[in-house]
Amino acid sequence: QKEVEQDPGPLSVPEGAIVSLNCTYSNSAFQYFMWYRQYSRKGPELLMYTYSSGNKEDGRFTAQVDKSSKYISLFIRDSQPSDSATYLCAMNQGAGNMLTFGGGTRLMVKP
Amino acid sequence: GAVVSQHPSRVICKSGTSVKIECRSLDFQATTMFWYRQFPKQSLMLMATSNEGSKATYEQGVEKDKFLINHASLTLSTLTVTSAHPEDSSFYICSAGGAGEETQYFGPGTRLLVL
Repeated sequence: QKEVEQDPGPLSVPEGAIVSLNCTYSNSAFQYFMWYRQYSRKGPELLMYTYSSGNKEDGRFTAQVDKSSKYISLFIRDSQPSDSATYLCAMNQGAGNMLTFGGGTRLMVKP
Repeated sequence: GAVVSQHPSRVICKSGTSVKIECRSLDFQATTMFWYRQFPKQSLMLMATSNEGSKATYEQGVEKDKFLINHASLTLSTLTVTSAHPEDSSFYICSAGGAGEETQYFGPGTRLLVL
C-alpha cells in the first residue's frame, strides 16, 4: 500500500462546478500538507500549503486537513477550463524533508 | 516570490553523450534541492536530495555515478546525466526549499530526449 493514495481520475466536470480532490495517507508523522497543480509538460506549481489539521482558503481554493482521519481535501469553487490540470497532494514531516506525493488526479473542466 | 528556473528547457542528444541540467533559485537561498524524474502520465519520482556543500543523497535504485549532482552554492544545483542512453529520456524537474521551509518550489522542468 502506498503511503499517500490519490484517485488518478480523470475527473470531468462542467465549468462552474465545485470540485473536490482528496488524498488519504498512512503516516501519522506527516505535519505539512501541500497541493500542487501541474499542467502538461510543466513543473508543479504550489497552490496551497497547510500545517496540521484545519482549513485554509485562498480565492477559489480551500484546503482541508483532517489528521484524525488522515484525509486531506482541496476544493475548487467556480471551476474554470483553465483549472484543467493534474493536481498532486504532497506532505512531509518538516523543513528540509522530502515530500511524499500522491499519484495525482487529472481534472478536466469542460466549457 | 520563490521562483526556480531550469536550463535548458529541452535537450536532444546522442546516445553516449553527457547532459548537464541547471537548477537555480532566483529569489531565495535554497539550502536543500531535490531532483525528480517524471515519465508520461506518472507522478514524480525522487532521484536525490542535495544540501549545499554536501554530497547528494540518492534514492534506492538511482545510480549516483550516472546521475551526478552538484550543489555548490545556495542558488545553484546541477544534474549531469553521464553517458546518456535512450532509456534516460524523461522529464527532469528540480525543486528547492529555503532554510526552515517545509514547502518546495519546483522548476519548469527539462525534457531530455536521447537518440
